[in-house]
Amino acid sequence: GAVVSQHPSWVICKSGTSVKIECRSLDFQATTMFWYRQFPKQSLMLMATSNEGSKATYEQGVEKDKFLINHASLTLSTLTVTSAHPEDSSFYICSAPLDSYEQYFGPGTRLTVT
Amino acid sequence: AQRVTQPEKLLSVFKGAPVELKCNYSYSGSPELFWYVQYSRQRLQLLLRHISRESIKGFTADLNKGETSFHLKKPFAQEEDSAMYYCAPLISPNTGTASKLTFGTGTRLQVTL
Repeated sequence: GAVVSQHPSWVICKSGTSVKIECRSLDFQATTMFWYRQFPKQSLMLMATSNEGSKATYEQGVEKDKFLINHASLTLSTLTVTSAHPEDSSFYICSAPLDSYEQYFGPGTRLTVT
Repeated sequence: AQRVTQPEKLLSVFKGAPVELKCNYSYSGSPELFWYVQYSRQRLQLLLRHISRESIKGFTADLNKGETSFHLKKPFAQEEDSAMYYCAPLISPNTGTASKLTFGTGTRLQVTL
């Protein structure tokens, strides 16, 4: 089946620094990828839609200058959390649709900002 | 407002008992609806989608447009069914805009002996 990977799986960074998270579709191409955020024991919240060859589309309330998304190729999207603060600590998950209906999810990246 | 509601945060049942995980939606039009499952320490994965009308791992879900519900059911719960279950409508906002999944708050199913 289709596989989506994320790197790193876990990252700790200091407050004020930036951290980049990668999302790759390993065996299929994805012109669109999605980024979610999940707080402990809570649901996934869609942050933005990453579009290959064009700007990302952000959900209401998500700061685009804070969460920079770049869809570098048909198999790679990156999320950069800029000037991270402790409140940005969360589990970040990406997904990529294989077809019109089914999406495949990455394993997630746990970000801890100290 | 458009949203999906899963009223139960936790559902605890005994092994062999029937299971029903509730999902109600309030989206205009006819959204495609899915159930996703997340087992402990595993990534989110698709369980089933309403258009296929299939049964996966003994689970079924019927879309009731009159009640705007998409409840997930299984006649006999197994221990391995213990997981987090999310009801998720696929929303197609505009022509040319990618369809996107939004998730309910999720229900944790706990199957005990």
